[in-house]
Amino acid sequence: ETGVTQSPTHLIKTRGQQVTLRCSSQSGHNTVSWYQQALGQGPQFIFQYYREEENGRGNFPPRFSGLQFPNYSSELNVNALELDDSALYLCASSFPMEPQYFGPGTRLLVL
Amino acid sequence: GENVEQHPSTLSVQEGDSAVIKCTYSDSASNYFPWYKQELGKRPQLIIDIRSNVGEKKDQRIAVTLNKTAKHFSLHITETQPEDSAVYFCAALDQAGTALIFGKGTTLSVSS
Repeated sequence: ETGVTQSPTHLIKTRGQQVTLRCSSQSGHNTVSWYQQALGQGPQFIFQYYREEENGRGNFPPRFSGLQFPNYSSELNVNALELDDSALYLCASSFPMEPQYFGPGTRLLVL
Repeated sequence: GENVEQHPSTLSVQEGDSAVIKCTYSDSASNYFPWYKQELGKRPQLIIDIRSNVGEKKDQRIAVTLNKTAKHFSLHITETQPEDSAVYFCAALDQAGTALIFGKGTTLSVSS
C-alpha cells in the first residue's frame, strides 16, 4: 500500500506570485483534504475534494483553489501570494468520513 | 462552527510516568475524534481515534476517553518513553463530516 506523497518538499516564492502544490492520495482513497499549518499551530482546514468535486471549504479566500483528478490525486493553487501564506501545506487522504492520513507536507516560504 | 480547546500547551514528564492531554469541543454534533502525533519536521501521524458511540479505546500504551455530555476527550499515555516526545494534536470532525478542527497542540517532553 502506497502512502500519501506531496511535491515539492520546499518552495520559495515572492509576494504576488502563484504556486501549485501536488498531492497523491494513498492507494484506494478517493477523498483529499488540504490543510495549512502555520509555525507552532495546529493544521487549519482549507478544503476537501471528493470524486473531483469540492466537498467542503474552510475560511480561506478564493485565491486558494484546488483540483482533483480522476486518479484522485489533487492540486492546491494559491494566487497572489502574501507573506502570511508562508506555512506547511499538508494534504490528507481518506474515504469519506473515515480517518485522514497526512502526507509529509510542502513548506512554502513567501518573501 | 466547531472549536477545539487543548490543554496543556506543554507537558514535561519523567520516563515511565503517565501523561494526560485534555481537549474540549463545542459542537455536540461532532462524532469522530482523532489524535495525531507530530515529530519535528514530520507529518502528523494518526495514533488513535474514537467515535461518539464509544466511551474509551485502548491501543497498547495509549488510550482515549470521551465524555459526550461534557464534550471533552482525553489522551492517556502510560509508561512514557523518550520516543514519545513530540507535539500531540487532538481534533474533532465537523458536523458536515469533512473538516478536522484541530486543537493548538501539546508539546510533550519525556526525559530519561
